[in-house]
Amino acid sequence: EVQLVESGGGLVQPGGSLRLSCAASGFIFSDHYIDWVRQAPGKGLEWVGRIRNKANGYTTEYAASVKGRFTISRDDSKNSLYLQMNSLKTDDTAVYYCARGPNSVSTHDAFDIWGQGTMVTVSS
Amino acid sequence: AIRMTQSPSSFSASTGDRVTITCRASQDIGSYLAWYQQKPGKAPKLLIYAASTLQSGVPSRFSGIGSGTDFTLTISCLQSEDFATYYCQQYYNYPRTFGQGTKVEIK
Repeated sequence: EVQLVESGGGLVQPGGSLRLSCAASGFIFSDHYIDWVRQAPGKGLEWVGRIRNKANGYTTEYAASVKGRFTISRDDSKNSLYLQMNSLKTDDTAVYYCARGPNSVSTHDAFDIWGQGTMVTVSS
Repeated sequence: AIRMTQSPSSFSASTGDRVTITCRASQDIGSYLAWYQQKPGKAPKLLIYAASTLQSGVPSRFSGIGSGTDFTLTISCLQSEDFATYYCQQYYNYPRTFGQGTKVEIK
């Protein structure tokens, strides 16, 4: 079964750090771009960032709201994606989803597989 | 950033109705648009990409049309499992942006 499973969420104080993980299975993880998308309680979807595949240099893109505070990385040998979140703010409280982007043969760049999400709460 | 605006934000409908949701981009995005369905407590699900291409496994009652700045998602005959929130998303450039969502509720 093709799936993504997030972990690592929890309660953290403002200014603190947290590292989320996303474990992939059922497909060739290393071929794909992977994104993070978040959803604050009762709100809509907000794109957080992306990491490309090895063929594209593992380059990254970030939303302005997280740039300089969040870092996306991946370990293709472990079929895993990571989101290192530093200097957390109360506004970062959300469910964080990892989502599969395209590979080299994709005909589109939409997110076709999503994890179940992991909740991050930033509060004192 | 490209702003995506959906309308309406919510509405009530009955099973069997034909419903249409509109999404407008603040600039030309060609056909680089996707539609997602999200049910409470669940992850979003891809319905349509490239503005009008149905994702594998999605029922044919869902359809999308549009290009440039104006797009629509139509559900031809609303089923009970279709009551959910729908989001459009552009993948023309970065940052990727979503519409604010349209909640389809039971009348």
